[in-house]
Amino acid sequence: NAGVMQNPRHLVRRRGQEARLRCSPVKGHSHVYWYRQLPEEGLKFMVYLQKENIIDESGMPKERFSAEFPKEGPSILRIQQVVRGDSAAYFCASSPAGNGYTFGSGTRLTVV
Amino acid sequence: GENVEQHPSTLSVQEGDSAVIKCTYSDSASNYFPWYKQELGKGPQLIIDIRSNVGEKKDQRIAVTLNKTAKHFSLHITETQPEDSAVYFCAAAFSGNTPLVFGKGTRLSVIA
Repeated sequence: NAGVMQNPRHLVRRRGQEARLRCSPVKGHSHVYWYRQLPEEGLKFMVYLQKENIIDESGMPKERFSAEFPKEGPSILRIQQVVRGDSAAYFCASSPAGNGYTFGSGTRLTVV
Repeated sequence: GENVEQHPSTLSVQEGDSAVIKCTYSDSASNYFPWYKQELGKGPQLIIDIRSNVGEKKDQRIAVTLNKTAKHFSLHITETQPEDSAVYFCAAAFSGNTPLVFGKGTRLSVIA
């Protein structure tokens, strides 16, 4: 019974490139959340999605960031024209309903 | 919106002693309070949670208490072991699927 799968585990991008982070939720979970974690800091909420719908994107920067959770396939967090300040660990969590999150192992993005 | 404060930011205890981590929250509508443990290079893992209709919950060496009037909740770890060393995060949310708001974390070190 696989947990939340995130890939890649590590991603290096040059400034100006695009970063695509993938998240496959626990089987049967229809709620997906993305969080960003900077070194020595807590988890900052970015976006909450259900299948084919963005429910809450209040934590996501208006420019360059987008997220989707299609009917088929993983949830994708896309960062266009990356800058050094985007370097962080990005975590995805899923839940069936209610608040019992299961987190993935994260994608560590480094912008050089 | 919700704001969660967590103290202390670092905590060192001798093996076998108890550790207590405290959190306060601002939104009286919040009624779900989970605690997560994050080991180096891994995603956060849910260790215990409590809902506002309960004042205390225990699971072996781990307990959580909630004071709704004062809007604070605490994590208690008894008989600490070196493998308890990690970063612990508290969080709060209004029950349902509203996104969790996290504290900034407590780095616990258990000294053998």
